[in-house]
Amino acid sequence: DAKTTQPDSMESTEGETVHLPCSHATISGNEYIYWYRQVPLQGPEYVTHGLQQNTTNSMAFLAIASDRKSSTLILTHVSLRDAAVYHCILRVSSSFSKLVFGQGTSLSVVP
Amino acid sequence: NSKVIQTPRYLVKGQGQKAKMRCIPEKGHPVVFWYQQNKNNEFKFLINFQNQEVLQQIDMTEKRFSAECPSNSPCSLEIQSSEAGDSALYLCASSPGQGNSGNTLYFGEGSRLIVV
Repeated sequence: DAKTTQPDSMESTEGETVHLPCSHATISGNEYIYWYRQVPLQGPEYVTHGLQQNTTNSMAFLAIASDRKSSTLILTHVSLRDAAVYHCILRVSSSFSKLVFGQGTSLSVVP
Repeated sequence: NSKVIQTPRYLVKGQGQKAKMRCIPEKGHPVVFWYQQNKNNEFKFLINFQNQEVLQQIDMTEKRFSAECPSNSPCSLEIQSSEAGDSALYLCASSPGQGNSGNTLYFGEGSRLIVV
């Protein structure tokens, strides 16, 4: 599985928009970009995923670079509940292939 | 709220004891994964199933763990003889296995094992 690189930590203030970057320079054409987040003592929570096009849902907006070598998870109007470790993961399109997690970005949100 | 149900949330075992964890995947999800997350938040894939069949597993799982996903019963992961290094959060995840969302894994809240 291709490698992703994320900053170890970021900080934001409540109500702001935060951009979480992820670099995946060796991504393959059949690899999807997945984002999960995890708070202490709980399992990872699915946030979003995409292949080439930008995607949006109730949780976040995923912007994917045209060359697919990087992506950015954008959280708008962050709240204290958005504080978590955010994992950017690549997964091949096979239904049964496993996810490979890195250590992610620890996002802290201050009032 | 997670629809993948894991029990127990916590278990404490002595070295050499068996440790068994259970998982009820989300309804309709035929694909089940087990991961181990250590105190450094690093994930290790252990094993995955499609329905009752093992798809992949790592060497450690094959030698020291017993895992199954019987039909109409919870999936289970059991360490035959617990070691201190097995202390971790054990995460179960399920997937629809097909369609646009087929690659998405949905995780339970995990079972935290402490081996004393």
